[in-house]
Amino acid sequence: EVQLVQSGVEVKKPGESLKISCKGSGFSFSNYWIAWVRQMPGKGLEWMGIIYPGDSNVRYNPSFQGQVTISADKSISTAYLQWSSLKASDTAIYYCARLIAYNWFDPWGQGTLVTVSS
Amino acid sequence: EIVLTQSPGTLSLSPGERATLSCRASQSVSSSYLTWYQQKPGQAPRLLIYGASSRATGIPDRFSGSGSGTDFTLTISRLEPEDFAVYYCQQYDSSLWTFGQGTKVEIK
Repeated sequence: EVQLVQSGVEVKKPGESLKISCKGSGFSFSNYWIAWVRQMPGKGLEWMGIIYPGDSNVRYNPSFQGQVTISADKSISTAYLQWSSLKASDTAIYYCARLIAYNWFDPWGQGTLVTVSS
Repeated sequence: EIVLTQSPGTLSLSPGERATLSCRASQSVSSSYLTWYQQKPGQAPRLLIYGASSRATGIPDRFSGSGSGTDFTLTISRLEPEDFAVYYCQQYDSSLWTFGQGTKVEIK
């Protein structure tokens, strides 16, 4: 079964750093682009960026460039999304998803809820 | 950047009724690059339709997609209780993936 399993709930304070993860199984992780998608509370979906674990090639949505860092470790089939200094506005659910045919996302991870509050 | 506008924002229908959801693009989208997802409360989005009209694996045939250019439609022929959810369209163009704001299908 193709699956993406994400790390658990995070509660952080403004200014703290954070790295969340997304582990793939059931497919050749190195050979698929992996995307990160943000969903702010009660809102829609926003594509943040993608990474190709095979060579760590990364492409960012200009809206998120410089705000987050996407990385991957193909040896453990895991992609990461990290922040160096969180803001309250980073509070959201973050999903990873496999990108198919450089077109649609399937499947999705279960999501990681990140809450940033003082 | 191509902006997708979904309408209506909320659709109130009864089980057994037909649902018609619209996704309009700010400029022409290749049909190959128009996708629909379903999201239920507390769950991740699920792929429904790709390439504007191809059902994903395991998706019932009551779901169908159509359209071209700037106007695309997701139709649910007869709503089942499990179909009440939020539906998003998504497109790809020029290394950018964008989503519509979603249509909520709620029980009337």
